[in-house]
Amino acid sequence: DTAVSQTPKYLVTQMGNDKSIKCEQNLGHDTMYWYKQDSKKFLKIMFSYNNKELIINETVPNRFSPKSPDKAHLNLHINSLELGDSAVYFCASSQDQRYEQYFGPGTRLTVT
Amino acid sequence: SQQGEEDPQALSIQEGENATMNCSYKTSINNLQWYRQNSGRGLVHLILIRSNEREKHSGRLRVTLDTSKKSSSLLITASRAADTASYFCATDLDSNYQLIWGAGTKLIIKP
Repeated sequence: DTAVSQTPKYLVTQMGNDKSIKCEQNLGHDTMYWYKQDSKKFLKIMFSYNNKELIINETVPNRFSPKSPDKAHLNLHINSLELGDSAVYFCASSQDQRYEQYFGPGTRLTVT
Repeated sequence: SQQGEEDPQALSIQEGENATMNCSYKTSINNLQWYRQNSGRGLVHLILIRSNEREKHSGRLRVTLDTSKKSSSLLITASRAADTASYFCATDLDSNYQLIWGAGTKLIIKP
């Protein structure tokens, strides 16, 4: 019973393509997040949703668009992929913003 | 912007020794959290300490918080090979609860 799951685990694609990463949590949490971890392991928040509503939208290119069809899902769609988008993307969830976060296993995106 | 900074960046010790990692931050916080990341895996929450707390324990982990110095430390006692991982501190800004992460300390436990 995986608490926070992401698919796919690995994603290799060419520049200019559009791709999506899916995230699901079965913890009943109200808040979900997308993070980007670069090659130096630095973790940066991209988006946060609370009860399907966007609450944090950090300065990321508008090629990145999150979609939350329901409280348990937060998907990340990326248009016109660039080399600099190569990173590991983590989905996470928490009961609400004040509590600890539970992370998915990550999606390693490689843009060639 | 980067809020937390861990020190040291890397630490290598013998199994059985204690490991201490430090985290410094810049602005007032509601709480500070420590997470562990094993290679190729997602982050796992270890301990959350609130701004009005000074020390917290969980098994072999001990976390201290000094809000006057804007710093925290994570102590792992009697280290094991399985403790080999990167350890991150994360602080939330006082005005909201968005987590800001440090760059992590890479801990290697030698058998």
